[in-house]
Amino acid sequence: DQQVKQNSPSLSVQEGRISILNCDYTNSMFDYFLWYKKYPAEGPTFLISISSIKDKNEDGRFTVFLNKSAKHLSLHIVPSQPGDSAVYFCAAVNSGGSNYKLTFGKGTLLTVNP
Amino acid sequence: KAGVTQTPRYLIKTRGQQVTLSCSPISGHRSVSWYQQTPGQGLQFLFEYFSETQRNKGNFPGRFSGRQFSNSRSEMNVSTLELGDSALYLCASSLRGQGALETQYFGPGTRLLVL
Repeated sequence: DQQVKQNSPSLSVQEGRISILNCDYTNSMFDYFLWYKKYPAEGPTFLISISSIKDKNEDGRFTVFLNKSAKHLSLHIVPSQPGDSAVYFCAAVNSGGSNYKLTFGKGTLLTVNP
Repeated sequence: KAGVTQTPRYLIKTRGQQVTLSCSPISGHRSVSWYQQTPGQGLQFLFEYFSETQRNKGNFPGRFSGRQFSNSRSEMNVSTLELGDSALYLCASSLRGQGALETQYFGPGTRLLVL
């Protein structure tokens, strides 16, 4: 059972426009969420995170929104740049448990066209 | 500071063989986690080691095992390889491995192909 779902395998946007990547989760024990970016032939790199006590976290061009009631989060990239083209993974964790693992979604391939 | 390194980067094995993958964490990091990435399943957690002890394990069969040495380097072993084990195996390290409370730093992965 996929506890973290990224229902869009791919997304294509024009340079300068907004990219919105979505993620849904089913486990109500998750209280911390992260986004990782992965380029081909490299490991994922941490991008941005959000705690369940917040509904928004912003870091430069990247903003993550969390809607706890809907168990949904989204990553906004504004403005999108060609260098943002990568696979984006959403991840979740129960930070209060002894379960030290991240549960990842399957990823969304973002392509930003010049 | 050097990043997480994984060796080998690429590996081809045949069904029934066994394989050992190695991960060297960032200096000072004591937690090492292993993940399997496949196109159909995304990134799936295998296990996490901290101070030479396995702290947590994902839902993988016993053919998948690991260990951690006193210098925090970690190895994972897959015995009796199956075609479905073909994947990118990623290692991630962090200082204490406290899940979300720390950033995990990933290595480039070992791509395993089972023929």
